[in-house]
Amino acid sequence: NAGVTQTPKFQVLKTGQSMTLQCAQDMNHEYMSWYRQDPGMGLRLIHYSVGAGITDQGEVPNGYNVSRSTTEDFPLRLLSAAPSQTSVYFCASSSTGTPTDYEQYFGPGTRLTVT
Amino acid sequence: LAKTTQPISMDSYEGQEVNITCSHNNIATNDYITWYQQFPSQGPRFIIQGYKTKVTNEVASLFIPADRKSSTLSLPRVSLSDTAVYYCLVGGRGFGTGFQKLVFGTGTRLLVSP
Repeated sequence: NAGVTQTPKFQVLKTGQSMTLQCAQDMNHEYMSWYRQDPGMGLRLIHYSVGAGITDQGEVPNGYNVSRSTTEDFPLRLLSAAPSQTSVYFCASSSTGTPTDYEQYFGPGTRLTVT
Repeated sequence: LAKTTQPISMDSYEGQEVNITCSHNNIATNDYITWYQQFPSQGPRFIIQGYKTKVTNEVASLFIPADRKSSTLSLPRVSLSDTAVYYCLVGGRGFGTGFQKLVFGTGTRLLVSP
């Protein structure tokens, strides 16, 4: 299993541009989520999904959209990039069917810079 | 979601046991305590989770007193590769779904020296 994969690894955007961060998992997990991590800080939840077609907002959802059309994929869309969205973005997946219930598996992250 | 407080940083030497204590005074009845480890430029990695008393796995032990207002992550015989940031998180198990919302603080930066 590849686990949780994210693309791209690095991205530079200009203010006002839009883009989609990709996230995929091959573990058949029901739950997927997006976090952002700013320098020297912990992760903050942006959006999450408890299954295909079901998404909900986390702690910092403004400026981001998500959709979940398949179990495997959970893309994060930045509608109009702002410098405040410069951060490292992590995608995670989890399932109550894992040996350790509720353990979240994180991807390697996407480092985004908005100029 | 209950807030947690943990030391900003800790230093240790190879081979020593490291105990990181986390305070969570407002923990709710259905909250679990979870610890994650994060290396630079990587996503967090699950270490251990517990509800009460003691939980042990191949990596660490988690001690939770009866009042559950604090918890201690114990790393036996640390090595240089244990240098990382350790996060203590408290949260309920989904309230009807299996998704556990995680609230990360700033964590404890552990530095292991030779």
